[in-house]
Amino acid sequence: GAGVSQSPSNKVTEKGKDVELRCDPISGHTALYWYRQSLGQGLEFLIYFQGNSAPDKSGLPSDRFSAERTGGSVSTLTIQRTQQEDSAVYLCASSFLAGGPSSYNEQFFGPGTRLTVL
Amino acid sequence: TQLLEQSPQFLSIQEGENLTVYCNSSSVFSSLQWYRQEPGEGPVLLVTVVTGGEVKKLKRLTFQFGDARKDSSLHITAAQPGDTGLYLCAGIRSGTYKYIFGTGTRLKVLA
Repeated sequence: GAGVSQSPSNKVTEKGKDVELRCDPISGHTALYWYRQSLGQGLEFLIYFQGNSAPDKSGLPSDRFSAERTGGSVSTLTIQRTQQEDSAVYLCASSFLAGGPSSYNEQFFGPGTRLTVL
Repeated sequence: TQLLEQSPQFLSIQEGENLTVYCNSSSVFSSLQWYRQEPGEGPVLLVTVVTGGEVKKLKRLTFQFGDARKDSSLHITAAQPGDTGLYLCAGIRSGTYKYIFGTGTRLKVLA
């Protein structure tokens, strides 16, 4: 498909385990964003990439969270030693360019990964 | 720190009624967006407003950006059950590329 895809769609893990969440952006989109959404509320910014670089990591909650992007395409969000408070829906979005009001900057979201930490 | 506060948080109305959702901040934004999100899906962009005082209309939806670019509103005329969903505002501050999302308004329109 032509949209943003995320995998897995659901992940249940035990406290203390590591998890990896994957995002496949729309082909040709240089910007990629990760967000966290708890209980159907607003989105919390985590990190964004322009190409393979992450100019703003300010939203990562702790050093247990990390993300990388390779080849200017696929991105992986890794959470180490998961805690129950990490349970949420993790959303990925991509856009042609980062930021701003132009149509080039419109974010297209994936369906999210629902993470449950027991 | 939540920079964008939305009100109301929840809204349940009958089909055909009008409603307004507010998005307020003490910060100035260079642009502001409104999204709608349905269960199990990511948010979908409805509109982007850029200029203070700007009004945009999308069928039965009217969006307004405050003169000082600190607040915005979404007005829906003659709501329909298909309007049901979570409405989110999101802003970008000048010089940044980070979207700040509002707290969300969950709308339910009853047939």
